[in-house]
Amino acid sequence: DSGVTQTPKHLITATGQRVTLRCSPRSGDLSVYWYQQSLDQGLQFLIQYYNGEERAKGNILERFSAQQFPDLHSELNLSSLELGDSALYFCASSAGPQPTNEQFFGPGTRLTVL
Amino acid sequence: AQRVTQPEKLLSVFKGAPVELKCNYSYSGSPELFWYVQYSRQRLQLLLRHISRESIKGFTADLNKGETSFHLKKPFAQEEDSAMYYCALNTGTASKLTFGTGTRLQVTL
Repeated sequence: DSGVTQTPKHLITATGQRVTLRCSPRSGDLSVYWYQQSLDQGLQFLIQYYNGEERAKGNILERFSAQQFPDLHSELNLSSLELGDSALYFCASSAGPQPTNEQFFGPGTRLTVL
Repeated sequence: AQRVTQPEKLLSVFKGAPVELKCNYSYSGSPELFWYVQYSRQRLQLLLRHISRESIKGFTADLNKGETSFHLKKPFAQEEDSAMYYCALNTGTASKLTFGTGTRLQVTL
């Protein structure tokens, strides 16, 4: 499968814990975007990386951080988790740096904080 | 701040009926607008963008700057159109896509 992959599919953890979500972009894509989708909310843009560098930042909490590695996969780290962090986290990738390039989405990681 | 409003959470229509999924945005400049769709058990994917002025799967959307709208339309709904539809806005300056909360289209026989 050469599409965007995300692991894990589901994650259940407790408040105060730290988790890492992983995303591998489509082959050849240099941009990776992270989005959060809470209940009844649209997709909230968190952060974008392009070719290893942070390119744009959205409403990302200070407790959250991300990075893109030389092989272009990306990780989203969520720490000091709160109940309100429970959500679907999507990763998307695109070929170029502009968010208007077609974005290809992964299946998402469902995070449940108990 | 840029904002996208999709006023309907659920739109239910009969097969063969016209469909209009509403999208309004707030931005005074020249926006770029998109419709993304998520079919059951599939990933979110791009349906169309206003700049292309194309019809995809029978859907069209016209940017109305006066009304700040980008409604998605199809003259005759099909069962396979049932999905979640998201309108998204990019204003260039923000370098990000802002998504609406989505509308679930349900096409029934």
